[in-house]
Amino acid sequence: DQQVKQNSPSLSVQEGRISILNCDYTNSMFDYFLWYKKYPAEGPTFLISISSIKDKNEDGRFTVFLNKSAKHLSLHIVPSQPGDSAVYFCAAREEGSYIPTFGRGTSLIVHP
Amino acid sequence: EAQVTQNPRYLITVTGKKLTVTCSQNMNHEYMSWYRQDPGLGLRQIYYSMNVEVTDKGDVPEGYKVSRKEKRNFPLILESPSPNQTSLYFCASTMTVGETQYFGPGTRLLVL
Repeated sequence: DQQVKQNSPSLSVQEGRISILNCDYTNSMFDYFLWYKKYPAEGPTFLISISSIKDKNEDGRFTVFLNKSAKHLSLHIVPSQPGDSAVYFCAAREEGSYIPTFGRGTSLIVHP
Repeated sequence: EAQVTQNPRYLITVTGKKLTVTCSQNMNHEYMSWYRQDPGLGLRQIYYSMNVEVTDKGDVPEGYKVSRKEKRNFPLILESPSPNQTSLYFCASTMTVGETQYFGPGTRLLVL
């Protein structure tokens, strides 16, 4: 049973517009959430994270929103750039755990 | 440069022929893990190690072995590879609980 779900396998966006990638989770023990970005032929790289005590975390063009009551988080990229085209993985972790649970990923394509 | 390295990057082998994929990190990280990435399934953890001589199973450990004799190295061993182990493999490391993981560049394995 998937504890972290990314229901959109792919997303296509025009350059300059907003990209919104969504992630849902079922485990109420998760208290730390991360987004990783993966380019072809490379390993995933950490992008941004959020603790369950917050509802928003921002880093430049990237903002992650957390809605604990809905067990939902989203990654917003504004403005989107062609270099943002990659697979984005949502991950979640329980307090005190080394082990994150990953979603299946969303492939983002940003068209020039 | 802080990094996680994996070798080989690409490997084609035949069913039953033992192989080892090496993983090394130069960040003195305590925690290391192995993942496999398959289309539509995202990243699934195979094994992890919390320190030297301490290893444990992840979500999909069947058919794999690991060892952690030194802090920096965490090889993945396939004693008798089968075609269903054809996949993209990632090694990752992190200093401790609460820190994000650093991923290696990946090893693409094809078992014929």
